[in-house]
Amino acid sequence: AQKVTQAQTEISVVEKEDVTLDCVYETRDTTYYLFWYKQPPSGELVFLIRRNSFDEQNEISGRYSWNFQKSTSSFNFTITASQVVDSAVYFCALSEANTGANSKLTFGKGITLSVRP
Amino acid sequence: EPEVTQTPSHQVTQMGQEVILRCVPISNHLYFYWYRQILGQKVEFLVSFYNNEISEKSEIFDDQFSVERPDGSNFTLKIRSTKLEDSAMYFCASSDQGGAQYFGPGTRLLVL
Repeated sequence: AQKVTQAQTEISVVEKEDVTLDCVYETRDTTYYLFWYKQPPSGELVFLIRRNSFDEQNEISGRYSWNFQKSTSSFNFTITASQVVDSAVYFCALSEANTGANSKLTFGKGITLSVRP
Repeated sequence: EPEVTQTPSHQVTQMGQEVILRCVPISNHLYFYWYRQILGQKVEFLVSFYNNEISEKSEIFDDQFSVERPDGSNFTLKIRSTKLEDSAMYFCASSDQGGAQYFGPGTRLLVL
């Protein structure tokens, strides 16, 4: 069965600090997809990134970067020079491809990030 | 940029009443999903839908729940007889073939 663990529950940083959000996953599939979503205080779920299990290249998008390591089953998310607008709950999610590329997402419990001015 | 929309944004209902939550997926997407998030908890999968039938459903999605695509644009979730524990935020999502799931803004359901 698939499982996503986000061991950190709450993180508080001061603006301009870098912060890393950890995500560890479990799956028996060899093909799977990993995601990060952001849930700001307004409540919507905002898609940030999708990565398939065959692509271990790290990715950078502006102040966001992701480190995927199959050896440790981790898909960590780093925000560089954090800003107050980054304050949100961040969810890591996993989708197994055994039932197709459009399988359900299994979410972690989320990490509440507070960025103080 | 195309987005998933959901109505209503909030719904209050009495226990035992039927509710229908509505979603308009992104227009060229073929895969549709419902998830729910009980306050302060993680997001949980309910059901996925493709080609006018359910592809996958969770244990939460029992006989009280049903989904429908009544026309070319809407995707609905019906709860036949609501219970207190159905109070949650319900998210609709859609994706294209092999693509990421994009979520709507959610419907906050409160069952009294």
